[in-house]
Amino acid sequence: EPEVTQTPSHQVTQMGQEVILRCVPISNHLYFYWYRQILGQKVEFLVSFYNNEISEKSEIFDDQFSVERPDGSNFTLKIRSTKLEDSAMYFCASSSLSSYNEQFFGPGTRLTVL
Amino acid sequence: AQSVSQHNHHVILSEAASLELGCNYSYGGTVNLFWYVQYPGQHLQLLLKYFSGDPLVKGIKGFEAEFIKSKFSFNLRKPSVQWSDTAEYFCAVNAPAAGNKLTFGGGTRVLVKP
Repeated sequence: EPEVTQTPSHQVTQMGQEVILRCVPISNHLYFYWYRQILGQKVEFLVSFYNNEISEKSEIFDDQFSVERPDGSNFTLKIRSTKLEDSAMYFCASSSLSSYNEQFFGPGTRLTVL
Repeated sequence: AQSVSQHNHHVILSEAASLELGCNYSYGGTVNLFWYVQYPGQHLQLLLKYFSGDPLVKGIKGFEAEFIKSKFSFNLRKPSVQWSDTAEYFCAVNAPAAGNKLTFGGGTRVLVKP
């Protein structure tokens, strides 16, 4: 069964450093998403991406964040200058054109900012 | 904007007991409703979904949920739980008029004692 994969599973970084979180969505999916879950809080939507552009973003997704689909398989989330409060689990998800409301999630990347 | 609340943060029960997890959402328009499950160490998996039609939906592993529009609720049920149902359960809502993003509840941790 096809799955969304994410790397790394755990990333530790110093405050102010740039991080790139990587995701490989399910191969025939066209909609891509990033969510995050700060420890003890709800899973929150960050951004959705379709047709090589951002289709929707939350107020969390400020200028420090960017997304990219650099090739036909990867979908990345970059945090330009990490802050302590960026520490969270980051989930990638994807959905197909025919069932765009049904999102499939990856295992997540735990980001720890020191 | 839509919001989702799950009333129980933690539920502990014995095998063969019945389970019901509450979920209420707030949004005035048409919604799609989901329950996701996250087993220990694993990623979010879709248990079941409601888009339209019969308000009683059946999902995997013997779970079902009932959409009651007048109560803005989508409660999850299982008549007889197993130890393997130990997991965290998340209710989520999508409002198609507002895009593809999912809005999650806070999750309910379910512990099934053998």
